[in-house]
Amino acid sequence: ETGVTQSPTHLIKTRGQQVTLRCSSQSGHNTVSWYQQALGQGPQFIFQYYREEENGRGNFPPRFSGLQFPNYSSELNVNALELDDSALYLCASSSSSGITADTQYFGPGTRLTVL
Amino acid sequence: QKEVEQDPGPLSVPEGAIVSLNCTYSNSAFQYFMWYRQYSRKGPELLMYTYSSGNKEDGRFTAQVDKSSKYISLFIRDSQPSDSATYLCAMSPIYNQGGKLIFGQGTELSVKP
Repeated sequence: ETGVTQSPTHLIKTRGQQVTLRCSSQSGHNTVSWYQQALGQGPQFIFQYYREEENGRGNFPPRFSGLQFPNYSSELNVNALELDDSALYLCASSSSSGITADTQYFGPGTRLTVL
Repeated sequence: QKEVEQDPGPLSVPEGAIVSLNCTYSNSAFQYFMWYRQYSRKGPELLMYTYSSGNKEDGRFTAQVDKSSKYISLFIRDSQPSDSATYLCAMSPIYNQGGKLIFGQGTELSVKP
């Protein structure tokens, strides 16, 4: 059984640029959630995708968007990067009925630095 | 005021000590309470989860929930250097509904040999 993987590990971007982060879910999981973890803070929920549809969203602006693919891998896209977007971005996969889900398994994260 | 408050530490204890980690919360709708452990440069991993009030034990770890006080705790007995990590409490009204877990700030724990 493979775990959750994320790429890239680290990324440096300039304010105003766009970025795409990738996540490969654990085998058999149909749901992926994305979180932002600023330095010294707990993760904050961005959104969740279940069977390729957005299934819940936190308090993040529309420039944060996502995709989930038929193989349940996922992308997080952030447009018009701001300095405050610098953080560790975590994805978590789980098996869900669309209403409730089993335990979320987190990937190692992508460290994004915006200069 | 944040929905979930957690003392960020850092907390430093000698090997073998009993560690107490705590969180308070304001939303009375929370029913599921979780503790995650996060090692440096890693994603969080689930240690324990508890539904509603009560205690749950798993090896050296005990989770307690007091809903009347809106207070949860994680106790680590016989702490080991390998327990050195950041501990995050998390909670939700319904288990993982919509994926939205509300996390505390995390407490950084260091166990010295």
